[in-house]
Amino acid sequence: GAGVSQSPSNKVTEKGKDVELRCDPISGHTALYWYRQSLGQGLEFLIYFQGNSAPDKSGLPSDRFSAERTGGSVSTLTIQRTQQEDSAVYLCASSLTIDQPQHFGDGTRLSIL
Amino acid sequence: GDSVTQMEGPVTLSEEAFLTINCTYTATGYPSLFWYVQYPGEGLQLLLKATKADDKGSNKGFEATYRKETTSFHLEKGSVQVSDSAVYFCALTIKAAGNKLTFGGGTRVLVKP
Repeated sequence: GAGVSQSPSNKVTEKGKDVELRCDPISGHTALYWYRQSLGQGLEFLIYFQGNSAPDKSGLPSDRFSAERTGGSVSTLTIQRTQQEDSAVYLCASSLTIDQPQHFGDGTRLSIL
Repeated sequence: GDSVTQMEGPVTLSEEAFLTINCTYTATGYPSLFWYVQYPGEGLQLLLKATKADDKGSNKGFEATYRKETTSFHLEKGSVQVSDSAVYFCALTIKAAGNKLTFGGGTRVLVKP
């Protein structure tokens, strides 16, 4: 069956450029989460969306980071004016409701030159 | 804030050895507890979970018991295989906080034949 799909799987870009990372959750899942996995910080929460509620942005590290979820399905994480410390694997997860376990995608490996 | 502490690796074992990975937590509310596993080259997968005190989660021969009195959720397996080589993450969620995952730092386990 279809799992959480993320694209691209790898992204290399120059410092200062903007990047967009995409997440297609499992169909019917109302909750969607973004996490970041980096060598220095481990796995950390960034943002989550639940249905039509306002997103919880408490984990976003700076105002260069933003995310949206259109139509309650696909989500895009945008990083503006990328910095080298943004290099990490960005993981998306979805769950049927916030009470259910989260299912993770394979991630996008972002490298900032 | 909420946090998870797990033993640092790497842990190197021989096949059929007993595995224990210690995990302790601090939480502002009543957490649900999880173990996730990341096999080489693959994404994060839920291994097992427990949602209330004294619950035991189990899967693929792994077990962990939710111990509220010691705020622990140690992972155990009686006889490991080479295929159990992976990175294991202990994590918690708090429903009132949207069930966003707070992860430990991960423990790399290497099982040698």
